[in-house]
Amino acid sequence: EVQLVESGGGLVQPGRSLKLSCVASGFTFNNYWMTWIRQAPGKGLEWVASITNTGGSTYYPDSVKGRFTISRDNAKSTLYLQMNSLRSEDTATYYCTRPLYSGYIDYWGQGVMVTVSS
Amino acid sequence: QIMLTQQAESLWISPGERVSITCRASQSLLYTDGKHYLSWYQQRPGQTTKALIYHASVRTDGVPTRFIGSGSGTEFTLSIEHVQPEDFAIYYCLQTLKSPWTFGGGTKLELK
Repeated sequence: EVQLVESGGGLVQPGRSLKLSCVASGFTFNNYWMTWIRQAPGKGLEWVASITNTGGSTYYPDSVKGRFTISRDNAKSTLYLQMNSLRSEDTATYYCTRPLYSGYIDYWGQGVMVTVSS
Repeated sequence: QIMLTQQAESLWISPGERVSITCRASQSLLYTDGKHYLSWYQQRPGQTTKALIYHASVRTDGVPTRFIGSGSGTEFTLSIEHVQPEDFAIYYCLQTLKSPWTFGGGTKLELK
């Protein structure tokens, strides 16, 4: 059974940093790209970052580029999201997800809440 | 970036009815491989987000046949026939044709 379990969320002040983790199980982690998706309270979904299966390439939307870094440790089957210079608009639930080459996301984690507030 | 518009924020229906949720893209989602890179997702409280449809019309494994995806180019529809109580949820469309990937704003199915 595929499982994606996020951790590392919490309350952080504006301008500070936070690192999220996602432990994957139930599949061969290093065969798959991985993606972070977020959802602000009561709002829709937003793509945050993607990484290739080797970690050799990463992709971000303009809203987080230069502030967020996605990475992975294939030996630990773990995905990360380093978030720097956090803003109030980064407040959201962050989901670890597994996209497929056929262009859709087949598995989502339960999500971890990040609140940016003074 | 490609914008996806789900016109209806909410739809009120009764169990057993048929409902259609639309998603309009600001440009065609057809790739050179002949497939549309449009997928549909269901969000229910307390559950992980579930993929329902990909390539506009292909059901993912285990999704009931009452969920039907259709459309092409820029206009797409998720239809649910004979809505069941567990179908009252929020539905999102997603395009993965071009970066940045973008979602529609979501449509909430509510009990009439």
